[in-house]
Amino acid sequence: TQLLEQSPQFLSIQEGENLTVYCNSSSVFSSLQWYRQEPGEGPVLLVTVVTGGEVKKLKRLTFQFGDARKDSSLHITAAQPGDTGLYLCAGREDSNYQLIWGAGTKLIIKP
Amino acid sequence: NAGVTQTPKFQVLKTGQSMTLQCAQDMNHNSMYWYRQDPGMGLRLIYYSASEGTTDKGEVPNGYNVSRLNKREFSLRLESAAPSQTSVYFCASSEPRTANTGELFFGEGSRLTVL
Repeated sequence: TQLLEQSPQFLSIQEGENLTVYCNSSSVFSSLQWYRQEPGEGPVLLVTVVTGGEVKKLKRLTFQFGDARKDSSLHITAAQPGDTGLYLCAGREDSNYQLIWGAGTKLIIKP
Repeated sequence: NAGVTQTPKFQVLKTGQSMTLQCAQDMNHNSMYWYRQDPGMGLRLIYYSASEGTTDKGEVPNGYNVSRLNKREFSLRLESAAPSQTSVYFCASSEPRTANTGELFFGEGSRLTVL
């Protein structure tokens, strides 16, 4: 089983601060997805990246796919309490249709 | 839009009891999945159904069975529940435009406690 490691596992910061969450693997992925999950709900897709070096922006969230397609990062600028949640990354290997999931980063933004 | 609907949302079982988790999607998706989520372990795939009439084992299938009743419905059965099956169970569906970029749509989860 290939691993997809997320760091940090837990992050608690003040509103207005910036943060970065990392998703790393030794595997090469054909695509990588980021989901956000709020308490009592299922994960919801934020973005899919498919090209090495790709950068996508979603308002204050910036997602980057590594050049070698083995890692990804999520950067949040000026975090807000509404960003609180569990952030999950999930990658698809070239040879395997199924998603490989990271364990998640629990993010708390304090007002 | 209902999306993916799971029932029940909460269940408490005694060891050895059986139960079925129900899942239905109204997005006309071909693929459906059952995951379990445990603290610090992310989502682990139990079973999936790539299309109506087919089911396949995922990463952690032991102790579970599934039925793809029709295109809309995919149920998960615990024949003899064990405390190790205490978890939050998520059903998901997808219709990938390509094999690489398919988005998974999740239900709200079913929280199961086995005493």
